[in-house]
Amino acid sequence: EAQVTQNPRYLITVTGKKLTVTCSQNMNHEYMSWYRQDPGLGLRQIYYSMNVEVTDKGDVPEGYKVSRKEKRNFPLILESPSPNQTSLYFCASSLSRTAETQYFGPGTRLLVL
Amino acid sequence: GESVGLHLPTLSVQEGDNSIINCAYSNSASDYFIWYKQESGKGPQFIIDIRSNMDKRQGQRVTVLLNKTVKHLSLQIAATQPGDSAVYFCAEKGGSNDYKLSFGAGTTVTVRA
Repeated sequence: EAQVTQNPRYLITVTGKKLTVTCSQNMNHEYMSWYRQDPGLGLRQIYYSMNVEVTDKGDVPEGYKVSRKEKRNFPLILESPSPNQTSLYFCASSLSRTAETQYFGPGTRLLVL
Repeated sequence: GESVGLHLPTLSVQEGDNSIINCAYSNSASDYFIWYKQESGKGPQFIIDIRSNMDKRQGQRVTVLLNKTVKHLSLQIAATQPGDSAVYFCAEKGGSNDYKLSFGAGTTVTVRA
């Protein structure tokens, strides 16, 4: 089944403890992206990647890192999480490098205490 | 900056009626628009998209209309069903040199039995 998977789905952590949320797609998509979703703010892009080893900042990149060493994986790294990073995170991928028709994963709900 | 927004945050519809969800955008350079449906606890699901060189596109029970003159996008759902209850997001891509989607805040559609 063609899909985007994220792990973990739920995570509770404490301020300052480094964490990684994994994202993987099995559709051979070029483009991958991370979003956060907060009440009343819609989806805001954190980082995106148009190809292996090519990443760029989205609208809200502060406090996050990403890497794209393989085409199928695009992990999101929070080096020192803070409470304002408590949010619902989505990974997405697109066949097109230009970000059209993105398919989303199921989401990761993160709580930073 | 440019923004994508929906006219109404909530919409209540009688089962069987047609639904119209509106979206205004302000970036005249946007060349691609897309609608997503997000059910509770799930990631956004692709519904339909349209390029700026079109003014109408139809899918299964859904139609997207694009009016570039007034920068307005709408999603029409025919014969609304209980399963259509969800949050609907419009998003735009700001031209061929833009590699991200910008999302509106969403409209919550509730279908009354």
